[in-house]
Amino acid sequence: DQQVKQNSPSLSVQEGRISILNCDYTNSMFDYFLWYKKYPAEGPTFLISISSIKDKNEDGRFTVFLNKSAKHLSLHIVPSQPGDSAVYFCAASAGNEKLTFGTGTRLTIIP
Amino acid sequence: ETGVTQTPRHLVMGMTNKKSLKCEQHLGHNAMYWYKQSAKKPLELMFVYSLEERVENNSVPSRFSPECPNSSHLFLHLHTLQPEDSALYLCASSQSTGMGETDTQYFGPGTRLTVL
Repeated sequence: DQQVKQNSPSLSVQEGRISILNCDYTNSMFDYFLWYKKYPAEGPTFLISISSIKDKNEDGRFTVFLNKSAKHLSLHIVPSQPGDSAVYFCAASAGNEKLTFGTGTRLTIIP
Repeated sequence: ETGVTQTPRHLVMGMTNKKSLKCEQHLGHNAMYWYKQSAKKPLELMFVYSLEERVENNSVPSRFSPECPNSSHLFLHLHTLQPEDSALYLCASSQSTGMGETDTQYFGPGTRLTVL
């Protein structure tokens, strides 16, 4: 049973436009969410996180939105840049338990 | 060296071989992790070490044997693996095993393992 789902395996966005990556979860006990970015041949790099007491967290061009009632979070990147092309993983945890990762979404920014 | 390093980056082994993966973190962290990433599957947590003690073993087959001699080094010893064990093996470290905002995990580049 996959508790963290990224239903879009890939996404292409024009440079300068907004990229929106989505993530759904089923475990209502999850209270901490993270996004990781992964380039080929490298390990995942932490990008941004949000705890369940917030519904939005912003860091520069990256904003994460959390909708607890829908069990949905999204990552917005604006404006999108060619260097943003990577695989993005959503991850979640409940209390001090382990992180559960989604399968990832490959984002391609078209120049 | 900075961050989290892993060696080797690529490994091809037969099912009867014994090999080891090495991870080293230069961040002064107290917790280290092994993850397995298979194609089109979520990252799977394998083992967690905190202050050199194993705190989690996620039902991993005994053909995978972790070792944490100190808080900076983590090994994954491999023996009699199966072809389905072919995957990217990622090491990570964090300040502690909590999941608060100060306990973000930092990943190494991974070892691409192919079992023939």
